[in-house]
Amino acid sequence: EVQLVESGGGFVQPGGSLRLSCVASGFTFSSYEMNWVRQAPGKGLEWVSYISSTSTTMHYADSVKGRFTISRDNAKNSLYLQMSSLRAEDAAVYYCARWPRMDYWGQGTLVTVSS
Amino acid sequence: QSALTQPPSVSGSPGQSVTISCTGTSSDIGSYNRVSWYQQSPGTAPKLMIYDVSNRPSGVPDRFSGSKSGNTASLTISGLQGEDEADYYCSSYSHSGTLVVFGGGTKLTVL
Repeated sequence: EVQLVESGGGFVQPGGSLRLSCVASGFTFSSYEMNWVRQAPGKGLEWVSYISSTSTTMHYADSVKGRFTISRDNAKNSLYLQMSSLRAEDAAVYYCARWPRMDYWGQGTLVTVSS
Repeated sequence: QSALTQPPSVSGSPGQSVTISCTGTSSDIGSYNRVSWYQQSPGTAPKLMIYDVSNRPSGVPDRFSGSKSGNTASLTISGLQGEDEADYYCSSYSHSGTLVVFGGGTKLTVL
């Protein structure tokens, strides 16, 4: 059974940093590209970042470019999102999702940004 | 403001059919057959219902179907059931700088 489990969310003040993790199981993680997608409270889905299977290519939404860094460790079946210079508008549930179909999603981890 | 435009809400009675539209541009829906639809119930993660415009993942009822014409994609749910009540989001690949764009979501109410 394919599973994606996010962690690392929490409360952070504006300007702070946080590192999200997503642990995969039930499939060959190293063969799949991955994404982060977020959803602000009561709002719609917003694509955040993409990483290729071998970490050679990364893409970011304009809203997070220069502040967020996506990475992965295939040996640990893990995907990461390093978030810095956090703003109030970054507050959301962050999901990891398998590419290209985004056919599997984790349960999400909540990031709260507030002073 | 979302890149793809969906109606905020649609409704239908059990057994009826409803169609949710998703309008984009020539930079996204019009350029790629990579339109997906997701179903999301409150407090849960999105669930893939349709991929590549009209394909259903294993386990998704054939009451769900997708199509595309020009810059607009559509999700049709036939034989509405109470369990279909949820939010629905469309997405598409894009070459406008953002790899993937989403619609703002449509709340489906089963009357």
